[in-house]
Amino acid sequence: GAGVSQSPSNKVTEKGKDVELRCDPISGHTALYWYRQSLGQGLEFLIYFQGNSAPDKSGLPSDRFSAERTGGSVSTLTIQRTQQEDSAVYLCASSLSTGGKLFFGSGTQLSVL
Amino acid sequence: KQEVTQIPAALSVPEGENLVLNCSFTDSAIYNLQWFRQDPGKGLTSLLLIQSSQREQTSGRLNASLDKSSGRSTLYIAASQPGDSATYLCASPTSGTYKYIFGTGTRLKVLA
Repeated sequence: GAGVSQSPSNKVTEKGKDVELRCDPISGHTALYWYRQSLGQGLEFLIYFQGNSAPDKSGLPSDRFSAERTGGSVSTLTIQRTQQEDSAVYLCASSLSTGGKLFFGSGTQLSVL
Repeated sequence: KQEVTQIPAALSVPEGENLVLNCSFTDSAIYNLQWFRQDPGKGLTSLLLIQSSQREQTSGRLNASLDKSSGRSTLYIAASQPGDSATYLCASPTSGTYKYIFGTGTRLKVLA
């Protein structure tokens, strides 16, 4: 596609439910990043992929968070048993290679009630 | 562990002024440094990427410099316009990785 696509753009869920957030990177981009931005806060690193492997998962806040990438393309971030503190904008970015210019999607606004 | 700081946190200037935004980082063994702008409710847009071997990059009215030895980068905006109003963020990776750490940004408002 022309840019990084994230879906859904908005997600409202109840506390305790599982959610899946999707990121479709720019075609041919091998590196993919997930960040979280809470209201009025900076970007918090979650995980990045080089191809299908994740060299650095250190930013995942807890074992309720997981991410995968298949076929070197689409990535899914899964949050199990959501909590209110998970409410934030989840941003995905891709780059042609690691160390290249980052292109961001518009994000998924997650609200946990 | 890389830490990235941006000063000032907020800046308000009249249209036409030249201005400088500052970014400091603690780990100077970086591959590159990137500058972004973020408009309210939107994702980030890449502005400039400076490789570690470069000292500056220019795009239109924007010029970014990099001084690894002092752990600093600056973004210079010439002849500011109301459309430049946004939050500007810099990001630098932790040494030996491509885990980009972001500063908390400078919120710029250019008054018409």
